[in-house]
Amino acid sequence: NAGVTQTPKFQVLKTGQSMTLQCAQDMNHEYMSWYRQDPGMGLRLIHYSVGAGITDQGEVPNGYNVSRSTTEDFPLRLLSAAPSQTSVYFCASSPGTTEGETQYFGPGTRLLVL
Amino acid sequence: AQSVTQLGSHVSVSEGALVLLRCNYSSSVPPYLFWYVQYPNQGLQLLLKYTSAATLVKGINGFEAEFKKSETSFHLTKPSAHMSDAAEYFCAVSEARGTGNQFYFGTGTSLTVIP
Repeated sequence: NAGVTQTPKFQVLKTGQSMTLQCAQDMNHEYMSWYRQDPGMGLRLIHYSVGAGITDQGEVPNGYNVSRSTTEDFPLRLLSAAPSQTSVYFCASSPGTTEGETQYFGPGTRLLVL
Repeated sequence: AQSVTQLGSHVSVSEGALVLLRCNYSSSVPPYLFWYVQYPNQGLQLLLKYTSAATLVKGINGFEAEFKKSETSFHLTKPSAHMSDAAEYFCAVSEARGTGNQFYFGTGTSLTVIP
């Protein structure tokens, strides 16, 4: 198994541009999520999904959209990038939605918005 | 919502010395607690987790953590630090919320190991 994969590894955007960060997992996990990691702030949840067709907002959802059309994929869309969205983005998945399930993380996407 | 506090954003220890990384949580019910490690330019890797089966939890790479309900703590320890332990460590608590299982992370502790 490849686990959780993310593309691209690094991206530079100009303010106002749009892009999609890709996330895929091959473990047949129900639960997938997106976090952003900023210095001194740990990881904060952006959006999550408990299965195909079901998504919900996390702690910092503004400026981001998600959809989940398949179990495997959970892309994160930035519709109009802002410098405040410069961050490292991590996708994670877990087998189910039960409290206490371990989350497995991808390698991250480093995004710079100029 | 749950919260996690990690005391000390930077910790330095000598190689072979005890590693102690502190984590306190806020919860009125028994929590599910996790420690993750992040090596430079990599994702997070699970070190260990507490799910109420035992208060002393052993993880990978010689790390362990003790759940103390009276102190609302889940500190991470390792008896003897290795150079390879240099990394960022995150404590997290899991809470059922809405349709899913939300994680709340601490702000992280960067561990430096001095030769």
